[in-house]
Amino acid sequence: EDKVVQSPLSLVVHEGDTVTLNCSYEVTNFRSLLWYKQEKKAPTFLFMLTSSGIEKKSGRLSSILDKKELFSILNITATQTGDSAIYLCAVGTSGTYKYIFGTGTRLKVLA
Amino acid sequence: DGGITQSPKYLFRKEGQNVTLSCEQNLNHDAMYWYRQDPGQGLRLIYYSQIVNDFQKGDIAEGYSVSREKKESFPLTVTSAQKNPTAFYLCASSPRDRQTQYFGPGTRLLVL
Repeated sequence: EDKVVQSPLSLVVHEGDTVTLNCSYEVTNFRSLLWYKQEKKAPTFLFMLTSSGIEKKSGRLSSILDKKELFSILNITATQTGDSAIYLCAVGTSGTYKYIFGTGTRLKVLA
Repeated sequence: DGGITQSPKYLFRKEGQNVTLSCEQNLNHDAMYWYRQDPGQGLRLIYYSQIVNDFQKGDIAEGYSVSREKKESFPLTVTSAQKNPTAFYLCASSPRDRQTQYFGPGTRLLVL
């Protein structure tokens, strides 16, 4: 059975800290991995990763995929209170439009 | 403005009642999805549709039904057979290249 596991489930840090969120997966015919940020309503898209070792960056956020070890990490540097959210990881498989979501990591950044 | 709209924002259901959640997109996306989100459980797939007049069950389809008569629309009916419908329902769509998935604002369903 395909599955996506995120860790930690929750995390509390102080402003300025750096955090690393993990997403591991076991799926048949991996196609892509997506990261989302969810703040009380609809998830907003952050990154899509398809190839190993290529880092995607957007400001203080970055993500990398390891297709050999079957995981991805999302890094947030110099965290701010506005980074407080649930971060979701989803994996898409070839031959289908389905995405499998992890349970998410709830991040709280304290001022 | 391109995007995905869901209505209503909040919906109250009485026991034994069927209710329908609306989802419309003007992104010209081929695929559309319905997810259910409960606290601490991430997103669980209810149904998805890759093309008009075709749809597939997801992981938790029991008690739900859908239709895809138009490319832009993918309504979800929560039937009386769904015994625990209280949740946040998210509709999403993705283009043919499946590069990503965009979400609507969600509908929160509560049982009276």
